[in-house]
Amino acid sequence: SQKIEQNSEALNIQEGKTATLTCNYTNYSPAYLQWYRQDPGRGPVFLLLIRENEKEKRKERLKVTFDTTLKQSLFHITASQPADSATYLCALNNNDMRFGAGTRLTVKP
Amino acid sequence: KAGVTQTPRYLIKTRGQQVTLSCSPISGHRSVSWYQQTPGQGLQFLFEYFSETQRNKGNFPGRFSGRQFSNSRSEMNVSTLELGDSALYLCASSLRGGESTGANVLTFGAGSRLTVL
Repeated sequence: SQKIEQNSEALNIQEGKTATLTCNYTNYSPAYLQWYRQDPGRGPVFLLLIRENEKEKRKERLKVTFDTTLKQSLFHITASQPADSATYLCALNNNDMRFGAGTRLTVKP
Repeated sequence: KAGVTQTPRYLIKTRGQQVTLSCSPISGHRSVSWYQQTPGQGLQFLFEYFSETQRNKGNFPGRFSGRQFSNSRSEMNVSTLELGDSALYLCASSLRGGESTGANVLTFGAGSRLTVL
């Protein structure tokens, strides 16, 4: 069956460190993969998109990698700040968009 | 420009009742997708509408239905409510449908939080 798994439900890190979140998928062949951020009581907000022929994408302090052989994407936040605390969701296209369960990131000052 | 608007934001129903939720997409967006979000299951895909046609449907019972109007606004309906239907229902709009070969970036509304007692 098709699955999208985000490595951990919660991740706690210290301010200034790099947060690394993992998204693994099985039985999908996505043309692209997206990452979204969700704050409590709000809908997810789009952050980054990476296509299958791209290895890496950057946007300010964010970096995403996409390995279609490993069927994995890594999402990095460098120089993390308490304001980065949120739930991060990966999403794959499968005719429609399917989401992982998310990783709740807490950045402690 | 205005974002995706969902109404109502909060509602409480009792088992057996039905509910209708509304979603107004971003102007110019023709695709509307609906998701159910619960703490245990995460974001689960319900259905997607594009130009008034249901394009895809997730694995939900027939009690969950939706439609899209000519102005792209969408409604979803849940009949014979069960306790397990308590969730945050999210609507997302996009320029393209999910089957498009182009990238489909979703813009979400704030959601409608449904509590079934």
